[in-house]
This record gives sequence, structure tokens and C-alpha cells, in this order.
Amino acid sequence: GAGVSQSPSNKVTEKGKDVELRCDPISGHTALYWYRQSLGQGLEFLIYFQGNSAPDKSGLPSDRFSAERTGGSVSTLTIQRTQQEDSAVYLCASSLWGTEPQHFGDGTRLSIL
Amino acid sequence: QKEVEQNSGPLSVPEGAIASLNCTYSDRVSQSFFWYRQYSGKSPELIMSIYSNGDKEDGRFTAQLNKASQYVSLLIRDSQPSDSATYLCAVNTADKLIFGTGTRLQVFP
Repeated sequence: GAGVSQSPSNKVTEKGKDVELRCDPISGHTALYWYRQSLGQGLEFLIYFQGNSAPDKSGLPSDRFSAERTGGSVSTLTIQRTQQEDSAVYLCASSLWGTEPQHFGDGTRLSIL
Repeated sequence: QKEVEQNSGPLSVPEGAIASLNCTYSDRVSQSFFWYRQYSGKSPELIMSIYSNGDKEDGRFTAQLNKASQYVSLLIRDSQPSDSATYLCAVNTADKLIFGTGTRLQVFP
């Protein structure tokens, strides 16, 4: 596909479980971003990758959140011991490089019961 | 001071009017500016980019940039109910884009 692909599109899980969210960026895009968006709120920046390294992890809300990117392509956002406040839409975006416009995936809607 | 600031709205305009959305930014060296539209329940989509002072027009949309005053605006002419959405301003820093929190636009018939 030509766009940013995220999976799963929806995830419902019980409090305390771990979840993994996947992002497959546009081919050739070196920069990759993760955001969180709660209902009716703005984009909350989580982490930024340039290639496989993460120069800015400042937005990760706690040590339960981690992310990695391998091969300069696919990225995985992992949330351990999920809490109800983690319920949100998690958006991934990619760009050619950091200052170029970002293209967003459709997001993963995460619901913690 | 936030790096990118927008009025959260809602901005309500009648159909056919001009909607004016504003954004200010704090980093004087920013060079790239973007407007995104986000419909409820959807992801943001890029609608305009501007890099030089002045106006850039694309159909009913005009982006305006004033680097000296550090603001960028988006004008939507002949507003339609289908323009009702949240509009996000994005500005580059040294190595990435920073998004504003968005302005909600409501166009009523």
C-alpha cells in the first residue's frame, strides 16, 4: 500500500495486560512519529524516530510505554500493564525526514476495560 | 509559552462566508508551515503547506505567512458544511514538526 499502515485498527483489552501496536510507514520515509489522541483532544506527541534511533522520547507518559523501530521501517509501540487512562487513539505518522510534512495512518483505537 | 498556539474554538461561520483560522509560533527559525484538517473520528490530512512570506492559494484555501510576526493563517472562502472539522497548524523546529492543538470549525447552513 502507498500509505501509512497501522494495526490493529481496534484493540480491546483488560486492565493490566500488555499491548503492542504496529506501524508500517510509507516506503522511503526516514522519520516516524507516534501520537496519542484522547476523545475531543489534540495530538499528544509520544516519540519520534529518525531511522532506527529515537532522538526524542520526551512524550512517553511513563516507563510502561516503550517503542522500537527496526530496519528503518516498521515500528512497534508497546504498553505494559495497561491502565484505563491509556484508552485513546494511537496515531502513527511518517515523513521523508523530520521537517517534511507528516502523513498519518488511520490509527489504532485502544480500549482498556 | 507553547511552541505552536491556536484558538481552540469552536469558530462558527455561516455557509458561504470566509473562515479565518490563525496560528502563532515561537521558534523564529522555523521555515516550514503546514495546515492539516481532521474530521471527527478520522486522522489528520495535509491540506496546505507554505514556506515563504505572503499568500499561497489552492482552490478555496489560502495560507498566509508572516515570519516577522510569527503567525500563519488559513482562509477558507465560500465555506461549506463539509468544511466542518478541526484544523491543525504544524511548524517545523530543528528536527521535527510541532502541532498546535487545533481549531474546531463549524459551518452552519
